Amino acid sequence: DGGITQSPKYLFRKEGQNVTLSCEQNLNHDAMYWYRQDPGQGLRLIYYSQIVNDFQKGDIAEGYSVSREKKESFPLTVTSAQKNPTAFYLCASSIAYEAGYEQYFGPGTRLTVT
Amino acid sequence: DAKTTQPPSMDCAEGRAANLPCNHSTISGNEYVYWYRQIHSQGPQYIIHGLKNNETNEMASLIITEDRKSSTLILPHATLRDTAVYYCIVADSWGKFQFGAGTQVVVTP
Repeated sequence: DGGITQSPKYLFRKEGQNVTLSCEQNLNHDAMYWYRQDPGQGLRLIYYSQIVNDFQKGDIAEGYSVSREKKESFPLTVTSAQKNPTAFYLCASSIAYEAGYEQYFGPGTRLTVT
Repeated sequence: DAKTTQPPSMDCAEGRAANLPCNHSTISGNEYVYWYRQIHSQGPQYIIHGLKNNETNEMASLIITEDRKSSTLILPHATLRDTAVYYCIVADSWGKFQFGAGTQVVVTP
């Protein structure tokens, strides 16, 4: 089946530790995205990548880092510098059509830092 | 800040049409209007999108006003499974989305 895989579904870490969230897609999409969602809020863009070996900061990139070494993979590292890392993290990829874009989302990873 | 304004919540009776409004008064000429929905603790699901013409697919219809400053998503026959948060998004030329808080739709029996 084609789609976006995020693992694990739930992740627990101690404060001060870096943690890497996995995102893999087999849709052959060029662009990939990371969003953060807090309870009762909409999604906020952390980082995005339009092509391999290139990525840009979104609206809330501080305390996060990414890499895009392969088209199908876009891992997100939540560093110890992120002040409030506990959140629901969503990965997405997109394809451009002649008439707009369509973003596909993964199932998300719920990160809890104590 | 998000480029769209939506009511925070609305109720709909099962089997009736649900009409979800969205204001996007600062939309520019090359920006599309997208609708997604998110069922609790899942990733958002694409519903429909359009530029200036009305659009229809198997899930919903999208009505965009002539001046493109607002739009309405229509779920023709709401079911209990349509209970979700619905997001109206205006995206720039290569798909960078900005999500607002969306509209929480509750479909009741």
